[in-house]
Amino acid sequence: AIQMTQSPASFSASTGDRVTITCRASQDVSSYLAWYQQKPGKAPKVLIYAASTLQSGVPSRFSGSGSGTDFTLTISRLQSEDFATYYCQQYYNYPFTFGPGTTVDIK
Amino acid sequence: VQLVESGGGVVQPGESLRLSCAASGFTFSGYTMDWVRQAPGKGLEWVAVISYDGRHKFSADSVKGRFTISRDNSENSLYLQMNSLRAEDTAVYYCARGGFGEVYSHMDVWGKGTAVTVSS
Repeated sequence: AIQMTQSPASFSASTGDRVTITCRASQDVSSYLAWYQQKPGKAPKVLIYAASTLQSGVPSRFSGSGSGTDFTLTISRLQSEDFATYYCQQYYNYPFTFGPGTTVDIK
Repeated sequence: VQLVESGGGVVQPGESLRLSCAASGFTFSGYTMDWVRQAPGKGLEWVAVISYDGRHKFSADSVKGRFTISRDNSENSLYLQMNSLRAEDTAVYYCARGGFGEVYSHMDVWGKGTAVTVSS
């Protein structure tokens, strides 16, 4: 199975900060990479798919980049509603696999 | 567009449970569907997928041979039959919509989840 790693595991940030989360795949997944946001007690919500395509309805402060094995999720100006856990997921090959998550909390 | 899971509960190790997911607001028969779970305090784990027509199924190694995914397009419903349950299967189980006619896709609609607890 393709292993997904994320860094950092967690960090604190302030409203207005620019935030970058990194995801790495153990093998080439082309652009078959999605990013999800999850808040406590809620279902995940897709933000980005195909590595860089913004899901309809998602604010433009979210962006994704990368291909192959290295990917990033960037939040240009962190808002209060963005404090959550973020997961990357590859859908290049079965079994689909998620990264362990990155939790962004309030500094 | 909505997905609503049901069927969760508390069971003993070795027992069985069948989860259901009722879909509405979209052409269910055209979409791949997935199950994803999340153990308490842990990350997301993909469990299984079924193609739009039910012909193709894949599952995680952790559930292979114990869990079976199925669907009834006439009822707009997705199912997960879980047998020989173990303590490590304790999780919230989410139903999620995959791609339209495409098995290699992200998941763009999620249900709220149903909780399964396996404990003696």
